[in-house]
Amino acid sequence: DSGVTQTPKHLITATGQRVTLRCSPRSGDLSVYWYQQSLDQGLQFLIQYYNGEERAKGNILERFSAQQFPDLHSELNLSSLELGDSALYFCASSRGTSGSGDEQYFGPGTRLTVT
Amino acid sequence: GQNIDQPTEMTATEGAIVQINCTYQTSGFNGLFWYQQHAGEAPTFLSYNVLDGLEEKGRFSSFLSRSKGYSYLLLKELQMKDSASYLCAVPQADKLIFGTGTRLQVFP
Repeated sequence: DSGVTQTPKHLITATGQRVTLRCSPRSGDLSVYWYQQSLDQGLQFLIQYYNGEERAKGNILERFSAQQFPDLHSELNLSSLELGDSALYFCASSRGTSGSGDEQYFGPGTRLTVT
Repeated sequence: GQNIDQPTEMTATEGAIVQINCTYQTSGFNGLFWYQQHAGEAPTFLSYNVLDGLEEKGRFSSFLSRSKGYSYLLLKELQMKDSASYLCAVPQADKLIFGTGTRLQVFP
């Protein structure tokens, strides 16, 4: 158990809908990262927050948005869902940032299926 | 930007030794991470190298050569449970850029 929690574990929804994925980092971790992993694909970095502020952005679609709250939990919002958005979405956390050598601890992921 | 290359797939036999290579090109170097990911599960941290040389951690060791832009993960005494994907990753500013991973299959 990494100490990072994600809810829900599974989500099935229809095209055009909007969903919210939730992540709670390990106690004491200030950074939260979101990744998308499609079937048999690598981890695609989406976005990173550090202590409530956006720090880095990857290939995140405009239909997707995220935020980190004062209690450091984070939410990833996916809207106007398309079939291609079906994937595993991972959240990870670290004490500081990866640039300073801090390893990331991953949550169990949310499996999103868009039908 | 970062460019990371790993072999897509490898196979090995239980009890054997396997070396998984990773080459990278980066505008600034700040260490290299290895993660293990079983199918459908979360990646788990294996190692972090920032200095040249070999770091040993039980059955797993990781090597880094900064001048060659090269790292490898060495797995000894392979077990069936080592069948997984192994991801090489380098920091880019505050985030981590992952390679596509090497899928290792261990056969009895």
